[in-house]
Amino acid sequence: AQSVAQPEDQVNVAEGNPLTVKCTYSVSGNPYLFWYVQYPNRGLQFLLKYITGDNLVKGSYGFEAEFNKSQTSFHLKKPSALVSDSALYFCAVRDMGGATNKLIFGTGTLLAVQP
Amino acid sequence: EPEVTQTPSHQVTQMGQEVILRCVPISNHLYFYWYRQILGQKVEFLVSFYNNEISEKSEIFDDQFSVERPDGSNFTLKIRSTKLEDSAMYFCASTRDSFTDTQYFGPGTRLTVL
Repeated sequence: AQSVAQPEDQVNVAEGNPLTVKCTYSVSGNPYLFWYVQYPNRGLQFLLKYITGDNLVKGSYGFEAEFNKSQTSFHLKKPSALVSDSALYFCAVRDMGGATNKLIFGTGTLLAVQP
Repeated sequence: EPEVTQTPSHQVTQMGQEVILRCVPISNHLYFYWYRQILGQKVEFLVSFYNNEISEKSEIFDDQFSVERPDGSNFTLKIRSTKLEDSAMYFCASTRDSFTDTQYFGPGTRLTVL
C-alpha cells in the first residue's frame, strides 16, 4: 500500500533561517509526490509536485523540495523562513494502486516561524 | 485564477438529519473528489467521481453517503443521516487529468453534528 510519513509533528525555526519539513514515502513503482499547505481555517493550497525529471522541484512562495529515491524522501525546504510561512504542511502521494488519482496524505507538520 | 468553491463554509446540524455539501469545481476539470479531515487528524479520501459516476470510494463512504453532479457545474456530497462522528472538515477537489495533474482543493465546509 502507498503511504507517506511525516516524522515531525512540529518544526520550529527562527525567521530568516532555512527550514526543512521532512517526508518519506513508501510506494510500489515511481512515486507522484505533492506538498500542500493549510493556513488556519483555510483549504489546502498546492505548493509543488514531483512527477518526473529534476530531483529538485521549485514551487510557490519560494519553497522547493528534493526528491531522493535512495532515501525515499521528499523533504520540503526554504532557504529563508518568513513568519507568514507558519502553517500546517502536508505531504501526499498519489495512490498508484487505485482506480483514480486519489491522494494519500501524511499526518501533517506544523511549521512555527518565530520572529 | 480559477478556483474550487464550496458552500456553506460552516454547517451545524442535529444527529440524524440530512446534509448536502456543495462544491463548484474548476470549469474545465473532469475528475472530482471529496476528502474529509477530522479535527486534528490527517486528510482522508472519501470518493472520486468521473463521467457522472463514482470511480472509487473508501471504506468511510458507506451507504449514508452519496455524490451527485446535478448540473454542469455543481458537485454535491449528501450525508443521509448524520452521526456525531461525521463532524469534520469536508474538502472538495478537482483535476483535469487523472494521472499527473494537480488536485486543487476548495476552502472546505466545516460540518458540526450535535
